[in-house]
Amino acid sequence: GAVVSQHPSWVICKSGTSVKIECRSLDFQATTMFWYRQFPKQSLMLMATSNEGSKATYEQGVEKDKFLINHASLTLSTLTVTSAHPEDSSFYICSASTPSGSIQPQHFGDGTRLSIL
Amino acid sequence: QKEVEQDPGPLSVPEGAIVSLNCTYSNSAFQYFMWYRQYSRKGPELLMYTYSSGNKEDGRFTAQVDKSSKYISLFIRDSQPSDSATYLCAMSHNAGNMLTFGGGTRLMVKP
Repeated sequence: GAVVSQHPSWVICKSGTSVKIECRSLDFQATTMFWYRQFPKQSLMLMATSNEGSKATYEQGVEKDKFLINHASLTLSTLTVTSAHPEDSSFYICSASTPSGSIQPQHFGDGTRLSIL
Repeated sequence: QKEVEQDPGPLSVPEGAIVSLNCTYSNSAFQYFMWYRQYSRKGPELLMYTYSSGNKEDGRFTAQVDKSSKYISLFIRDSQPSDSATYLCAMSHNAGNMLTFGGGTRLMVKP
């Protein structure tokens, strides 16, 4: 149980393109999803917390107009990297958790490798 | 000083060895403690999670939490080459809440 699916797994695109990444909880409802960014040989850096039906909460230093997050349902959150540039190239990972009060921890997707040319 | 400290390694052991991975932390409010395994270019995979102090065993893996010392450990018995990965400790105040990660320890198990 607790499977999180992330799509696409790898995307290469030209500078200036907007890229959408999907994160789905397949067998549970996730009121909260998290988006992380990971550089090579480094740990995960939290970008934002996404709650179903409300605006995402962004971490300090993360541009909310650059990284648009939508959590329209209990099983889907999307991250759109707008007007992507080479410095946005990274490994983006989402996770999902079950409602508050449960003891279930976060479960992660397999990540999206984004390469901007 | 980081909230969660973890030796980056790499830690190289022979197949069959017992592996000990550790994290220390400074925030006494952490209540939930997790260990994730991450293979290259994959998302973290949950291995173990514990609430408060104590031990938890699952197959070859044992997680220990000592809140008085702010120290957590993951032991891997009979290590296998397939255990070669980066191991991340993580902790939070509440279940399902924001996680604070250690930097990860890279483990290499040699056949």
